[in-house]
Amino acid sequence: QQQVKQSPQSLIVQKGGISIINCAYENTAFDYFPWYQQFPGKGPALLIAIRPDVSEKKEGRFTISFNKSAKQFSLHIMDSQPGDSATYFCAASSRDTGRRALTFGSGTRLQVQP
Amino acid sequence: DAGVTQSPTHLIKTRGQQVTLRCSPISGHKSVSWYQQVLGQGPQFIFQYYEKEERGRGNFPDRFSARQFPNYSSELNVNALLLGDSALYLCASSRIPGQGEMAFFGQGTRLTVV
Repeated sequence: QQQVKQSPQSLIVQKGGISIINCAYENTAFDYFPWYQQFPGKGPALLIAIRPDVSEKKEGRFTISFNKSAKQFSLHIMDSQPGDSATYFCAASSRDTGRRALTFGSGTRLQVQP
Repeated sequence: DAGVTQSPTHLIKTRGQQVTLRCSPISGHKSVSWYQQVLGQGPQFIFQYYEKEERGRGNFPDRFSARQFPNYSSELNVNALLLGDSALYLCASSRIPGQGEMAFFGQGTRLTVV
């Protein structure tokens, strides 16, 4: 019940296109959903996050859409650029006995072609 | 401000040996979490510490242990290394455990067990 399922595993998008990555979860106790971007040899960097009381959050070219009833959330990258080529992880956490461990998806390797 | 710093960056150990990884959190952050990231997968939660006390533990064997020091830095110890322990070990810091969502990761320690 702690799993977060992420798709697709890899994604190729043309420069200027829209990249869409989807995640689904089972644990209804999850109440925080961040997305992380990871470049090779680096640690994950927090990109954008959402709480379930909001259906959408936008920060620059990055938008999270959240569907609480379907227990799904997605990341949209508008006007994708070659510099966006990285691995993206969705994650979720819950207010569980005072700790907030992050449960990560398996990752999506995004390649933006020039 | 310095981000989360981890040392060493790379490490090669032999099966059966013991290893200690170190993490210094962002200044002002009192909570440190450790994650294991196997190649091609998302990070998996190992431990969370706050104010020198363990606040959470993931599904890892007792060979894994950690501690936090008065200056909030932390060490992760792994005994009796197995080949399967080869991974990127990530440290994340946050102000308090309840704000685990604002978790900032270091670049990790790449451990190779041969």
